[in-house]
Amino acid sequence: KAGVTQTPRYLIKTRGQQVTLSCSPISGHRSVSWYQQTPGQGLQFLFEYFSETQRNKGNFPGRFSGRQFSNSRSEMNVSTLELGDSALYLCASSLTLATNEKLFFGSGTQLSVL
Amino acid sequence: GESVGLHLPTLSVQEGDNSIINCAYSNSASDYFIWYKQESGKGPQFIIDIRSNMDKRQGQRVTVLLNKTVKHLSLQIAATQPGDSAVYFCAENAYSSASKIIFGSGTRLSIRP
Repeated sequence: KAGVTQTPRYLIKTRGQQVTLSCSPISGHRSVSWYQQTPGQGLQFLFEYFSETQRNKGNFPGRFSGRQFSNSRSEMNVSTLELGDSALYLCASSLTLATNEKLFFGSGTQLSVL
Repeated sequence: GESVGLHLPTLSVQEGDNSIINCAYSNSASDYFIWYKQESGKGPQFIIDIRSNMDKRQGQRVTVLLNKTVKHLSLQIAATQPGDSAVYFCAENAYSSASKIIFGSGTRLSIRP
């Protein structure tokens, strides 16, 4: 069974641009969560999608948004990029919304904002 | 955001020795715990999990111990190998926050040859 797939693997953008990251969850998994990882802040929760609806949201500005498609694939978008948005963006999938089940991560998209 | 600041403690272990990585979790209501391994440039990789109705669970070369009285979790790695070098995160499920799970700050495991 294929794991969580994230594309692209690396991305370089300039301030003010926007970016879209993609995540394909493990087959059969319906929940997709997004995390931002930086050396200084660790793993920070962005949002979680289930059945094409955002179910939970972390403490990030509205420039960060996402969506989920009927096949459970998810995208996240960051508009008006800032230098501080440089980070590893991780997608994780799980079967349901339950908090007591395994969460599987992709390899991430390394975003650099210049 | 929901995260602990990343001042990573480092554990240095001789190759072949056993490693013990410790973690203190925050919520006494948490009933599910996971250990993740993250190698440089990769996403966190699931290692082993444990539910609160257990105090010990074993996998291949790894054992997780749970002490609910003092809210402490540990990961033991037997016969540590160079490939075990990574940052290890413990995580607990989070009933009272937006995130499905809350991650600990992580421990960097370094292997001496």
